[in-house]
Amino acid sequence: RKEVEQDPGPFNVPEGATVAFNCTYSNSASQSFFWYRQDCRKEPKLLMSVYSSGNEDGRFTAQLNRASQYISLLIRDSKLSDSATYLCVAGTTDSWGKLQFGAGTQVVVTP
Amino acid sequence: NAGVTQTPKFRILKIGQSMTLQCTQDMNHNYMYWYRQDPGMGLKLIYYSVGAGITDKGEVPNGYNVSRSTTEDFPLRLELAAPSQTSVYFCASSSLDRGKETQYFGPGTRLLVL
Repeated sequence: RKEVEQDPGPFNVPEGATVAFNCTYSNSASQSFFWYRQDCRKEPKLLMSVYSSGNEDGRFTAQLNRASQYISLLIRDSKLSDSATYLCVAGTTDSWGKLQFGAGTQVVVTP
Repeated sequence: NAGVTQTPKFRILKIGQSMTLQCTQDMNHNYMYWYRQDPGMGLKLIYYSVGAGITDKGEVPNGYNVSRSTTEDFPLRLELAAPSQTSVYFCASSSLDRGKETQYFGPGTRLLVL
């Protein structure tokens, strides 16, 4: 079983709409969570950390549900430039160098 | 700061050839990593290093070697290239911010083994 699982998508989203997707993690000891964005043929880049109480960064909202072991990402007012693959990442505080990356969820924003 | 830089950007190797993928970071990070990413797959950790002179295996180390003689550089060596090593290789380094590790990636090296 993969440590971090994501729906690969693609999620096809009209411009201006809202899209949300989840990621599940299997290690209950995971303490740190992130969303990374990866554009086609580019390197992953940190989008946002995920905090226990949930957090927003502009049009992006991340939530953590420890009981069900999943995190979510919601994108409001989608822009064409939001088209990318979103990688879910989980790590434990004693596992430096062993962050677990999901395979990614592809989002395609259409005009 | 240039961040994490990798060379070459793209390389074609014949089976059995060897090469070194270069990685340099100028952020004074102690932790550095090598990942490979196959099409449609997640990142798989090959090797990592917690500081100069210290390296450790990740999830998929077979067929690769690393060294870490300085804080800045973390080269990845392929001794006998095989078609299964065709992939995109990302180097990363990390910092600790408020107890959370954040990894910064280089632009990647695309390797094709024929």
